[in-house]
Amino acid sequence: DADVTQTPRNRITKTGKRIMLECSQTKGHDRMYWYRQDPGLGLRLIYYSFDVKDINKGEISDGYSVSRQAQAKFSLSLESAIPNQTALYFCATSSVSGRTYNEQFFGPGTRLTVL
Amino acid sequence: AQTVTQSQPEMSVQEAETVTLSCTYDTSESDYYLFWYKQPPSRQMILVIRQEAYKQQNATENRFSVNFQKAAKSFSLKISDSQLGDAAMYFCAYRRVNRDDKIIFGKGTRLHILP
Repeated sequence: DADVTQTPRNRITKTGKRIMLECSQTKGHDRMYWYRQDPGLGLRLIYYSFDVKDINKGEISDGYSVSRQAQAKFSLSLESAIPNQTALYFCATSSVSGRTYNEQFFGPGTRLTVL
Repeated sequence: AQTVTQSQPEMSVQEAETVTLSCTYDTSESDYYLFWYKQPPSRQMILVIRQEAYKQQNATENRFSVNFQKAAKSFSLKISDSQLGDAAMYFCAYRRVNRDDKIIFGKGTRLHILP
């Protein structure tokens, strides 16, 4: 079974609809992230969470909100989807042991299309 | 603000040959991590190699190695004996060593392997 799962894997929706993308992990990591990938722009950070009570805005948080329901679950919501939010969305997790940074593990991605 | 630049949007290499992907970054920090991630057509993000800035020795992972030039702020990836499975999008990424462990990604280089 995958360590980081995302649902749905693909979604088509209409402008103005509310959409929730879900991420679950079984790695026991405390840190979780949401990224957006657009062609030619790489990955950009939307929100990140160091633990259930610590949520932070990333580079492009406008139009998005998140919820950390538990250590293992981190959801991304688009309250009113717009076409320029069409993109590939990734969830990632990581942990830190003292100074040592452990790599971020990525989910398989969610392809979102807003018509 | 830190930035990561990949100046080659696309590259091609003959199977079994060696190819080098370029990456430069801008930072005022002295301690940080650098990464190369691979994204094959499956869209999964896979960590290829990472380098800690305080280490002078270049990181290697089997056929993948880096040329880390700290003074020049350059971090290139060399792939030896290229294989068809190496065809993918490659992202260079940077992370500071502190609590704020956001990763900053370059825009990517698409690598084609010619049979």
